[in-house]
Amino acid sequence: EAGVAQSPRYKIIEKRQSVAFWCNPISGHATLYWYQQILGQGPKLLIQFQNNGVVDDSQLPKDRFSAERLKGVDSTLKIQPAKLEDSAVYLCASSSRQGKTNTGELFFGEGSRLTVL
Amino acid sequence: DAKTTQPPSMDCAEGRAANLPCNHSTISGNEYVYWYRQIHSQGPQYIIHGLKNNETNEMASLIITEDRKSSTLILPHATLRDTAVYYCIVLPGYQKVTFGTGTKLQVIP
Repeated sequence: EAGVAQSPRYKIIEKRQSVAFWCNPISGHATLYWYQQILGQGPKLLIQFQNNGVVDDSQLPKDRFSAERLKGVDSTLKIQPAKLEDSAVYLCASSSRQGKTNTGELFFGEGSRLTVL
Repeated sequence: DAKTTQPPSMDCAEGRAANLPCNHSTISGNEYVYWYRQIHSQGPQYIIHGLKNNETNEMASLIITEDRKSSTLILPHATLRDTAVYYCIVLPGYQKVTFGTGTKLQVIP
């Protein structure tokens, strides 16, 4: 079974530039998550999709971050314009559902490491 | 949200059992305890979860106290590859998986 795919693995940009990250979840997984992990901290949930609808984006800085999941499969996370404090690893995860609820078993990709100079 | 408390770091000798504690004193009756780990430069990996009974799988055992206010993840024979940050998570009803800072386990040869 193929895992969660993310690209690019590494990206270096200057502040005020834009960047986009792509994620392809495990086939059949209805729920997709984007997390931000700053060095030395645990992952922080940015946004959660259920199929192509947003379930939770309460911690997404909407003035500069945007995410979409067209057709309920793969997803793109964009940052525009980037700030120095956006330097982090951006993790994508997916999970399946049991009945009407999501399972708590998330499958993570390897992450995209962003450095903002 | 129910919150968890974990020691920031622990050491364990290779081949010995690693016992990682987690306090979750405000856990609700329908909330599960999940454990993940994150090896350096990788995404977190699911290990095990439980509600109130002890659970075991090929990776680890989970012991939950009768009052459910704390739990212990047991790695029966720790290897160097078990060196990682271990996260204990209590899953609220709407399934928002929130990570804390976890316990950094160092397995020593």
